[in-house]
Amino acid sequence: EDQVTQSPEALRLQEGESSSLNCSYTVSGLRGLFWYRQDPGKGPEFLFTLYSAGEEKEKERLKATLTKKESFLHITAPKPEDSATYLCAVQDDKIIFGKGTRLHILP
Amino acid sequence: DTEVTQTPKHLVMGMTNKKSLKCEQHMGHRAMYWYKQKAKKPPELMFVYSYEKLSINESVPSRFSPECPNSSLLNLHLHALQPEDSALYLCASSQVGGKETQYFGPGTRLLVL
Repeated sequence: EDQVTQSPEALRLQEGESSSLNCSYTVSGLRGLFWYRQDPGKGPEFLFTLYSAGEEKEKERLKATLTKKESFLHITAPKPEDSATYLCAVQDDKIIFGKGTRLHILP
Repeated sequence: DTEVTQTPKHLVMGMTNKKSLKCEQHMGHRAMYWYKQKAKKPPELMFVYSYEKLSINESVPSRFSPECPNSSLLNLHLHALQPEDSALYLCASSQVGGKETQYFGPGTRLLVL
């Protein structure tokens, strides 16, 4: 059965304290892995798409990496405005979302 | 431009009302999606339209009726909803085949009384 598991469920960091969020997946044929940021009551905001193992993408303080079994979203020197829920989604025949990681950055 | 727009932003309706949610995109995407999201849960896929034809219905109750009038518009008609249908309803769009990144709208917050 296709699965997407995100960890941790919640993470509290001090401003400037770097860390990584994990997304592990089991799908029969990966067509893409997506990272989204979602603020409360709003739609998911697209961050990155990764297609193959070894691929990396960066945007400001965020960097996403992909292996054959998992993806990491690295956040470097986070700021309070980076607080949000980060969703990982994987696509084979259809898209499957993980449950998300709630990230809270303390000033 | 990666914008998907949704109207209304908020909707309160009684269980006997009929209302519609609207979604629009001008990115030339030929796939459009409706999702339902409860608080602190991931989005749940409801419907997928590909080239204006319904391709996936995830066993959604008939009180939800989707419609795709053209390649830019997607509607969700609501009738006789239940209080448990209260949620954030999200629309998304993507290309078909190749790079299928889905871009989401801001959502409609629905409350059923």
